[in-house]
Amino acid sequence: GAGVSQSPSNKVTEKGKDVELRCDPISGHTALYWYRQRLGQGLEFLIYFQGNSAPDKSGLPSDRFSAERTGESVSTLTIQRTQQEDSAVYLCASSSDYYNEQFFGPGTRLTVL
Amino acid sequence: AQTVTQSQPEMSVQEAETVTLSCTYDTSESDYYLFWYKQPPSRQMILVIRQEAYKQQNATENRFSVNFQKAAKSFSLKISDSQLGDAAMYFCASRAGGTSYGKLTFGQGTILTVHP
Repeated sequence: GAGVSQSPSNKVTEKGKDVELRCDPISGHTALYWYRQRLGQGLEFLIYFQGNSAPDKSGLPSDRFSAERTGESVSTLTIQRTQQEDSAVYLCASSSDYYNEQFFGPGTRLTVL
Repeated sequence: AQTVTQSQPEMSVQEAETVTLSCTYDTSESDYYLFWYKQPPSRQMILVIRQEAYKQQNATENRFSVNFQKAAKSFSLKISDSQLGDAAMYFCASRAGGTSYGKLTFGQGTILTVHP
């Protein structure tokens, strides 16, 4: 596709449920990033994948958060046993080998009741 | 480790006027990049301008320019001839250099309102 896509655009869940968020990067982009944006705040780094290297998981806030990426394509961010403090917009970005710009998707707004 | 601070939660400007958004940063890296991103209500993050720290010349993109003061670790964004479409949240961000990859560290953002 022309840009980074994310699904769903909105997700409402109950506390304690598991959720999966999906990101489709720009074709050919080897790097993929996940960020979290709480209401009115800046973006917090969660995790990034680059090619075949081990992912940088240094931003994951707890072991309830995990992410996978299939080759250089789709990534899923999984949050287990969701808590109210997980409510936020989750943004995905991708970048290529040649440019310093990260291209962002429209985000998934997660609301935990 | 990198930190980015935006001390202006909100700014406003009249259409066609000029506004400057402030940003300071701290980093232990000798090579790094600085960015300004715009986030309209649609949530879509859009890159406005980037600056390589090793370049002394300030970056410019049409009506957008930066004042990069490396010694002071300051990276302000100037928007000239402001337009209604410039209204958005603006984020300053940094990234370590040396590669084409790496996480961005963001400031808290500045909400810019443009008055007609």
